Amino acid sequence: EIVLTQSPGTLSLSPGERATLSCRASQSVSNSYVAWYQQKPGQAPRLLIYGASSRATGIPDRFSGSGSGTDFTLTISRLDPEDFAVYFCQQYGSSLFTFGPGTKVDFK
Amino acid sequence: QVQLQQSGPGLVKPSQTLSLTCAISGDSVSSKSTAWNWIRQSPSRGLEWLGRTYYRTNWYHDYGVSVKSRITINPDTSKNQFSLQLKSVTPEDTAVYYCAGGTGAGGMDVWGQGTTVTVSS
Repeated sequence: EIVLTQSPGTLSLSPGERATLSCRASQSVSNSYVAWYQQKPGQAPRLLIYGASSRATGIPDRFSGSGSGTDFTLTISRLDPEDFAVYFCQQYGSSLFTFGPGTKVDFK
Repeated sequence: QVQLQQSGPGLVKPSQTLSLTCAISGDSVSSKSTAWNWIRQSPSRGLEWLGRTYYRTNWYHDYGVSVKSRITINPDTSKNQFSLQLKSVTPEDTAVYYCAGGTGAGGMDVWGQGTTVTVSS
């Protein structure tokens, strides 16, 4: 199965700053089938990005995704207070889906 | 819009079978464009995809490596829902369990509310 590694583990930033989150796969992800999810305490994950770079319905344009092969990035252009949360990447390019361990974005 | 409603017990004894159900509204379990998944989350294992069922010309199933020998995911077309059965549970199976749906190209865009399942005698 494809193993996903996310970095950094924690990102300490202030509102208005830019956040760059990394997701690296142990092997190439077919069709760039990588999704990004946001999770807040007590809630289910929420889909932000699919297909590496397509925003899900209703997701603000400050969220963007990029990458291909084994390296993928989620960028939040200007952090809003509601963006402080944990972010997970997931690959669904193989028949066995896997998630990364997550990056926590917290207040500096 | 599509909504998923989970149900099932929050406490299961070791060696028994964990059973959860996910009722679908706004879509069909037999949809030819959607797959129906189970995922769990625990502090020790993070988010772990358990498996999925989907209908194209036949019913298909994929199961995660760590649970493949113990898991069954079944669709129920009469009730428009799908279920998870996990046999021979141990305390390691204690987690929040989620059902989720999504298209093949689009990730999982609809999630159930989550069910906390504790494995304990």
